[in-house]
Amino acid sequence: SQKIEQNSEALNIQEGKTATLTCNYTNYSPAYLQWYRQDPGRGPVFLLLIRENEKEKRKERLKVTFDTTLKQSLFHITASQPADSATYLCALDPGTDKLIFGTGTRLQVFP
Amino acid sequence: DVKVTQSSRYLVKRTGEKVFLECVQDMDHENMFWYRQDPGLGLRLIYFSYDVKMKEKGDIPEGYSVSREKKERFSLILESASTNQTSMYLCASSSERPSTDTQYFGPGTRLTVL
Repeated sequence: SQKIEQNSEALNIQEGKTATLTCNYTNYSPAYLQWYRQDPGRGPVFLLLIRENEKEKRKERLKVTFDTTLKQSLFHITASQPADSATYLCALDPGTDKLIFGTGTRLQVFP
Repeated sequence: DVKVTQSSRYLVKRTGEKVFLECVQDMDHENMFWYRQDPGLGLRLIYFSYDVKMKEKGDIPEGYSVSREKKERFSLILESASTNQTSMYLCASSSERPSTDTQYFGPGTRLTVL
């Protein structure tokens, strides 16, 4: 079946380290992939969009990679801070003009 | 600043009641969406609309209907609420088709059906 997989276990890292979150998908060939941040009890907030012909995209301390061969996107937060603690969702369009979201990975950055 | 508002943050209803969830966006966006979010299941699309008076079923439309009489407003209706509709409901909007554009989400409505 078609699906997006994100690690359901929380990722706990120390402040200042780089956090790396993974998004794997099967049976899709998306032209774009998006990452969102969601805080508890809030709606998701868009962070980055990466196209299939872009291997990497950066925004301040955030970096996203997109490997269409591996069917995987990696989301990195460098110099992580406690304020980065949240759930991060990846999303893609499987060709239906509708976004499908992963279940998200919760990141906890401790001092 | 972009803004999507939802009529209630928390709502408690009884089984069988008709429930209206309202969503308003102030960005003149063409596209609006209703999702529900449940633990372990992620965001699932209920209905969406690409134009006024237009609606399309998402992945889980059963038990729901929608209304879009004005461009800025998209309403989700639970005709007869049931306990399995207890969930977080999120409205979103975008100016372009989803695959090429950001979706802007509202704060969500936590609905409990007793």
